[in-house]
Amino acid sequence: AQSVTQLDSQVPVFEEAPVELRCNYSSSVSVYLFWYVQYPNQGLQLLLKYLSGSTLVESINGFEAEFNKSQTSFHLRKPSVHISDTAEYFCAVSDMRFGNEKLTFGTGTRLTIIP
Amino acid sequence: ETGVTQSPTHLIKTRGQQVTLRCSSQSGHNTVSWYQQALGQGPQFIFQYYREEENGRGNFPPRFSGLQFPNYSSELNVNALELDDSALYLCASSLQYNEQFFGPGTRLTVL
Repeated sequence: AQSVTQLDSQVPVFEEAPVELRCNYSSSVSVYLFWYVQYPNQGLQLLLKYLSGSTLVESINGFEAEFNKSQTSFHLRKPSVHISDTAEYFCAVSDMRFGNEKLTFGTGTRLTIIP
Repeated sequence: ETGVTQSPTHLIKTRGQQVTLRCSSQSGHNTVSWYQQALGQGPQFIFQYYREEENGRGNFPPRFSGLQFPNYSSELNVNALELDDSALYLCASSLQYNEQFFGPGTRLTVL
């Protein structure tokens, strides 16, 4: 079984400031790692994922996350946030045997951008 | 290409009633997964259907059941509704083992 911990339920950040959203996981098997974003009244959208290879993965809108196996972490970072980044962010893992499916999610971090 | 759609958008039921939620998967996808997202929580995996067969289940009681049809659309049925069943129900479709695409969800309120 897997579990995901997102310690920060809410993170307020000033516009153009950097941000880090923390994610730690626990698993007895090898996992894939994901970050999803949920805008108000919408479903989840995949932001980025780590399957293998380089431990630093990037999204098209400037977010990046680094897989740290020794610390079992997959923190999400952005060097300069925009108002449009206001959303709920969920970290998730999947058992490698199931590919990108049967996800276990954290409780989410609400990112609020202050103008 | 049409994305994942869900119906209805919102639903209000009373305790003890039964409800059916529907999901149309994205074209070309053969797998549908259902998740329950309670208020202030992350989504929890309910079950998955692959080619019309249940292919894995989370920690949900048997009163949560589902179907997948030959066109890969799916239904989630919940019997004997309880207050704690109030949540956003998300459907996600995929080509087995590949990226899941989520629908906008159905908001179920149980009174």
